[in-house]
Amino acid sequence: DVVMTQSPLSLPVTLGQPASISCRSNQSLVYSDGNTYLNWFQQRPGQSPRRLIYKVSNRDSGVPDRFSGSGSGTDFTLKISRVEAEDVGVYYCMQGTHSLTFGGGTKVEIK
Amino acid sequence: QVQLQESGPRLVKPSETLSLTCTVSGGSITNYYWNWIRQTPGKGLEWIGYIYYSGSTNYNPSLKSRVTISVDTSKNQFSLKLSSVTAADTAVYYCARASCCGGRMGFDYWGQGTLVTVSS
Repeated sequence: DVVMTQSPLSLPVTLGQPASISCRSNQSLVYSDGNTYLNWFQQRPGQSPRRLIYKVSNRDSGVPDRFSGSGSGTDFTLKISRVEAEDVGVYYCMQGTHSLTFGGGTKVEIK
Repeated sequence: QVQLQESGPRLVKPSETLSLTCTVSGGSITNYYWNWIRQTPGKGLEWIGYIYYSGSTNYNPSLKSRVTISVDTSKNQFSLKLSSVTAADTAVYYCARASCCGGRMGFDYWGQGTLVTVSS
């Protein structure tokens, strides 16, 4: 199984400040078609998950441009350039290269 | 706007079969991959499997022996059956749509989720 490890588990952030979440896999996520299937989801309190980013760095429609994804191989990052109150929630990475597995989540909260 | 809604029993007895249905509205079930995902406090998010509108399926290897996903295109619905359930199967179950590649790029629409409890 591909294990996705996120850090930190909890991320207290001051409004307007940047935030960064790390996601590491125990195998390369480069698929045979050359794509890297690493996706990011946001789950606000009481809501279903919502996809933010697909294939490492592609933002979904309607996702603010303060969210960005980067990385390659086994090491990936989700960045929020300036955290807003609506960004509170749990963020998950998910790999789709070797079956489908999720990271354990990072809880973003306001200091 | 595409909407997904899970329905089915909220309480299932140990060793019995969990059955859920997802109804898709606001869009067609054709040309997409229809997934089941569950969430528990202990194991987090876990992909269960998908069915393509044509009927082909792919399941999580860890659950494969107990899972069946089916589709009814005439009703715009797809369903999950999970057999021989235990307390470890207690979770919020989500249905979700994937536009591409069996879910490799994740899921663009999700249902609201339904809590299913396994208990006698």
